[in-house]
Amino acid sequence: NAGVTQTPKFQVLKTGQSMTLQCAQDMNHNSMYWYRQDPGMGLRLIYYSASEGTTDKGEVPNGYNVSRLNKREFSLRLESAAPSQTSVYFCASGRQINEKLFFGSGTQLSVL
Amino acid sequence: AQSVTQLGSHVSVSEGALVLLRCNYSSSVPPYLFWYVQYPNQGLQLLLKYTSAATLVKGINGFEAEFKKSETSFHLTKPSAHMSDAAEYFCAVRPSGGGADGLTFGKGTHLIIQP
Repeated sequence: NAGVTQTPKFQVLKTGQSMTLQCAQDMNHNSMYWYRQDPGMGLRLIYYSASEGTTDKGEVPNGYNVSRLNKREFSLRLESAAPSQTSVYFCASGRQINEKLFFGSGTQLSVL
Repeated sequence: AQSVTQLGSHVSVSEGALVLLRCNYSSSVPPYLFWYVQYPNQGLQLLLKYTSAATLVKGINGFEAEFKKSETSFHLTKPSAHMSDAAEYFCAVRPSGGGADGLTFGKGTHLIIQP
């Protein structure tokens, strides 16, 4: 039972570098989400995808892009990383609008 | 837009004592409400959810929460704290009217259990 799988678990970048965070779910969920978690800030929504082929901005989308590659996969890209993007990133998925979200184990990203 | 406020960034209780973590929501209509727990270096796990079926909701690990519309609250309780309950707890809300734009989370409460 893999659930939601995120890669990598840890990453260190230099300012200006780019990278893609990968997320895949095996629960046949329609909706997928990317959150960032910062101390004292809780989780904030970056982007979400209500279904395959659609993506929408969340609360804090600046500096990020996403791709819903297929129903299983939802990637998050940092084109030019900044120190302010140092955070823990969580991918989540859900089946229906009033049901719970399932979370991956997170990616700890440091931008130097 | 809906939001939740968690009172107290840190709560400390003795092992065996009552746990009370506070959450107040702001929404124009009764929303769906959730409590999640995060253990160190892990993702979030659902403790319980309120979706209007019953005002008292029982979750995993002995936790429960009561929806009080008059107080716009959804506080999380556990009668007797255990050392394994030490974690970060998040209250979250989503509108009952629909949409797939995820959950809005509170800032979290770190629960400390004193031996």
